[in-house]
Amino acid sequence: DGGITQSPKYLFRKEGQNVTLSCEQNLNHDAMYWYRQDPGQGLRLIYYSQIVNDFQKGDIAEGYSVSREKKESFPLTVTSAQKNPTAFYLCASSNFGTSETDTQYFGPGTRLTVL
Amino acid sequence: AQSVAQPEDQVNVAEGNPLTVKCTYSVSGNPYLFWYVQYPNRGLQFLLKYITGDNLVKGSYGFEAEFNKSQTSFHLKKPSALVSDSALYFCAVRDSNYQLIWGAGTKLIIKP
Repeated sequence: DGGITQSPKYLFRKEGQNVTLSCEQNLNHDAMYWYRQDPGQGLRLIYYSQIVNDFQKGDIAEGYSVSREKKESFPLTVTSAQKNPTAFYLCASSNFGTSETDTQYFGPGTRLTVL
Repeated sequence: AQSVAQPEDQVNVAEGNPLTVKCTYSVSGNPYLFWYVQYPNRGLQFLLKYITGDNLVKGSYGFEAEFNKSQTSFHLKKPSALVSDSALYFCAVRDSNYQLIWGAGTKLIIKP
């Protein structure tokens, strides 16, 4: 987990609220990623960014939004449009995001629960 | 279609015995394969990766993985299991867009 921090560790949301999950990295990595993890499933990509001020939708972007104003930060907002947001959210980063040899490194995760 | 399969939801091994966690893949072009481990309520930790070269890749914590192109497999192995190896293990393959496709994970339980 070293080098990538996520906060908060646990987050509770009421229906209809937007919440923002923080992800910060000090690895000087260009690329950052957000994944969602549900029990019994692999990781699913929400959004990724290969460079500051640019980001791309992943497989399950609906109901989520991101920004990449700084190289070290990639916050994820879970909007009220996300119908089933209860999950474990993982942030990752890698050197370039466009090389076969890139390795993604992960933060400790945020567990979001909708009340 | 590009995909990764981990055919076992759970693997049980006695401490001290060898362990194998299976992974098969389907991808166009040369495969770039990864193994990660996840402890409860934690992020994923990188174990090892295959890019090219020797089919036997050595990684962290005594783990290794064997790449078999003809069987499209990348099984994770360890000669002697420890109770502390109990965790969730994920296999992943890089797709043509440089993103990772993930298996569903295999829960490894090492019994004393």
